[in-house]
Amino acid sequence: GDSVTQMEGPVTLSEEAFLTINCTYTATGYPSLFWYVQYPGEGLQLLLKATKADDKGSNKGFEATYRKETTSFHLEKGSVQVSDSAVYFCAPLANAGGTSYGKLTFGQGTILTVHP
Amino acid sequence: GAVVSQHPSWVICKSGTSVKIECRSLDFQATTMFWYRQFPKQSLMLMATSNEGSKATYEQGVEKDKFLINHASLTLSTLTVTSAHPEDSSFYICSARGGLAANEQFFGPGTRLTVL
Repeated sequence: GDSVTQMEGPVTLSEEAFLTINCTYTATGYPSLFWYVQYPGEGLQLLLKATKADDKGSNKGFEATYRKETTSFHLEKGSVQVSDSAVYFCAPLANAGGTSYGKLTFGQGTILTVHP
Repeated sequence: GAVVSQHPSWVICKSGTSVKIECRSLDFQATTMFWYRQFPKQSLMLMATSNEGSKATYEQGVEKDKFLINHASLTLSTLTVTSAHPEDSSFYICSARGGLAANEQFFGPGTRLTVL
């Protein structure tokens, strides 16, 4: 089945630092790729997505590029804020047929803490 | 658009009792709903997939008699934890798929279940 490997956390940064959270995946076919963010005590919110190779998803200063050749979807932000402190999940969405179709596979999550 | 609600947001119950959690798509018709379980500081684990009007499909290792899922309408799915025990304490999150974003899942805010 599909699998996701995310950079282990926790990640602790100072405000305005550069952020990278690595994500690589294995999947059958050509998945869509998502990053979700979870703030403390809340459900998941979609942060950004990309549906085909070389697409760049972006939102709130975060970016990630769909790299088919390296099966990666690394999340980056040039200058983090305290309010970015949350858990970040990388998740491919299976688009091929079979029992995994339409299902998200979540990485283990990366806890980000940003200090003032 | 694409708002998913869950009710209750938290519940505390005694061991042996049953608890029902509702998941509603507020502004779109959800042909498919998903139920996830999340343990503290861990990733989301897919429990089951339900399509409106048909029986839910459970993931391997999930007891279907313990976690009853009903998807009676295009806007409502329910998860009933039967004869709950302390090890069932967890954060339960639903997601819904449907409408114009055919392959994207929209997540509810989650329900915190504590079994005493």
